[in-house]
Amino acid sequence: EVQLVESGGGLVKPGGSLRLSCTASGFSFTNAWMTWVRQAPGRGLEWVGHVESRVDGGTTGYAAPVKGRFTISREDSKNTLFLQMNSLKSEDTAVYFCATVGLTGGWMFDSWGQGTRVTVSS
Amino acid sequence: SYVLTQPPSVSVAPGETARVSCGANNIGSTGVHWYQQKPGQAPILVVYDDSDRPSGIPERFSGSSSENTATLIISRVEAGDEANYYCQVWDGSRDYPVLFGGGTKLTVL
Repeated sequence: EVQLVESGGGLVKPGGSLRLSCTASGFSFTNAWMTWVRQAPGRGLEWVGHVESRVDGGTTGYAAPVKGRFTISREDSKNTLFLQMNSLKSEDTAVYFCATVGLTGGWMFDSWGQGTRVTVSS
Repeated sequence: SYVLTQPPSVSVAPGETARVSCGANNIGSTGVHWYQQKPGQAPILVVYDDSDRPSGIPERFSGSSSENTATLIISRVEAGDEANYYCQVWDGSRDYPVLFGGGTKLTVL
């Protein structure tokens, strides 16, 4: 069974930094593309970014609002995905979900974690 | 800019068929995926590649797509289907390849 568990959320001041983690199990993490999606309070889903598997090049991609401030990385030996968030703004307040990208092929997000809450406030 | 347009809300009586639309220019040229999200829970994938169903998702969930509109179809709606539904596409030709629709709240009357 695929399991994704996010951690690292919390309260941070504007301009601060936070690193989120997503620990995976139940599938071949090394071969998986992974993504982060966030949801601001009372709002819809918003794609944050993704990382390819290393065998596919390991390239990352980011949404415009976070590009240059957020960095996605992975540590395959620990089945863990990371989201480094710098220069945080109040509008980054959201629940952050990690998800797998097309484990059986395709461009859908087929398994999701339960999310970790990030609050940016002074 | 490219936007996926969903109606904010859809209401349907139990046992009827609900249709949730997702509109965008030429959306029919790329696969559309649909997610169900209940309050306080993570989204789950209910339809992918326009009309395929992941294992464990009831056959009541299906989808279709035409040139400018994709549609999630929920047959024989049950009270437990009440949720927010989001469409999503991944278009690798764009600088920002992933897009979600704004979401549709399905209310079961």
